[in-house]
Amino acid sequence: RKEVEQDPGPFNVPEGATVAFNCTYSNSASQSFFWYRQDCRKEPKLLMSVYSSGNEDGRFTAQLNRASQYISLLIRDSKLSDSATYLCVVTAAGNTGKLIFGQGTTLQVKP
Amino acid sequence: DAGVTQSPTHLIKTRGQQVTLRCSPKSGHDTVSWYQQALGQGPQFIFQYYEEEERQRGNFPDRFSGHQFPNYSSELNVNALLLGDSALYLCASSPLTGVGSPLHFGNGTRLTVT
Repeated sequence: RKEVEQDPGPFNVPEGATVAFNCTYSNSASQSFFWYRQDCRKEPKLLMSVYSSGNEDGRFTAQLNRASQYISLLIRDSKLSDSATYLCVVTAAGNTGKLIFGQGTTLQVKP
Repeated sequence: DAGVTQSPTHLIKTRGQQVTLRCSPKSGHDTVSWYQQALGQGPQFIFQYYEEEERQRGNFPDRFSGHQFPNYSSELNVNALLLGDSALYLCASSPLTGVGSPLHFGNGTRLTVT
């Protein structure tokens, strides 16, 4: 079983749609959680951290369920510029600074 | 203030050759991590350097080695290149006190092995 699992998609949605991505992680001792965005042939960039209480940044909402070891990302009112791959990321147990990435979920927003 | 910088941007090598990739961390950062990202996959942790020593290592063979210099810059060396080593190699830096914090990556080096 992979340490971080995501549905690779692709998710094809029209502009203005709401889309949700899910992610599960295997190590219950993981401490920190993030969503990264990666554009084609570019480096991953931090989209947002994920907190236990859930957090929102504009059109983006992240949720964490530690009991189920499940992380989600909701994007409202999708824009063409949201087209990218979204990577679910957790820190390795022991807070070593090592990040464990999921495979990524590809989003394509169409006009 | 420059972020993480990597060189070269692209590289083409043949099987069996050796390659060295370079990374300069963001100012004020003393820890450097290297990741390999194959096409269609998420980045995979190779190793992390702090105080010029390898602090932890992922599941990569000994052909992958590294070094950190007193100015905190780092090199990734890969010997006896295989076709499967073709990937985007990413460097990230962080302050040690930021363990558990998100990483910020350089632009990466795209290595093609033919």
